[in-house]
Amino acid sequence: QLVQSGAEVKKPGASVKVSCKASGYTFSDYYIHWVRQAPGQGLEWMGIINPSGTSTSYAQKLQGRVTMTRDTSTSTIYMELSSLSSEDTAVYYCATGYCIGTSCYDDALDIWGQGTIVTVSS
Amino acid sequence: EIVMTQSPATLSVSPGERATLSCRASQSVGSNLAWYQQKPGQAPRLLIYGASARATVIPARFSGSGSGTEFTLTISSLQSEDFAVYYCQQYSNWPLTFGPGTKVDIK
Repeated sequence: QLVQSGAEVKKPGASVKVSCKASGYTFSDYYIHWVRQAPGQGLEWMGIINPSGTSTSYAQKLQGRVTMTRDTSTSTIYMELSSLSSEDTAVYYCATGYCIGTSCYDDALDIWGQGTIVTVSS
Repeated sequence: EIVMTQSPATLSVSPGERATLSCRASQSVGSNLAWYQQKPGQAPRLLIYGASARATVIPARFSGSGSGTEFTLTISSLQSEDFAVYYCQQYSNWPLTFGPGTKVDIK
């Protein structure tokens, strides 16, 4: 299970940091993705962080504005997005891959957080 | 970046009928294709991975097929709970990319 932090309202130019806390499984074994969805729009992949938190890959359009980190001591993953604009208003999801038996498909997203609404408005 | 397209944008179907949704990739993704169902106010739900394998507890009326660049999701007999938006997603390469979605609504 992935439980995300609550809704945020930010002003343009500010930063937001969303958390995603894992429970019920071995947190350190899994990659975590972030996906966002603007109102009435489709799904947009933002990036991924590896199990140890030592490696990340971000969507090119967000490079330089997004940072993903993880705290293994608290089983929590963080996504920080800076220089916010109205175009960043969206629901932000963390998600992890699908595992069946001993096989895992890290990029087929099975377990999702409940979503965090981020509203950017002056 | 691999571009995913879906057709139709909206599909109107009567309960009990079959629904066929299409997804196309701009280059081959092999079988690295997933399908998701999303209802309003909810996170997406994984239906299909590996183009044709049903995820755990997904009903058998959902089936996926295809490989390379052309994929299909079939819902054999639509139930009331199946009216939703469906997205395909490739995971052959990062960045992961999603199609724009097909909305299945009641005819």
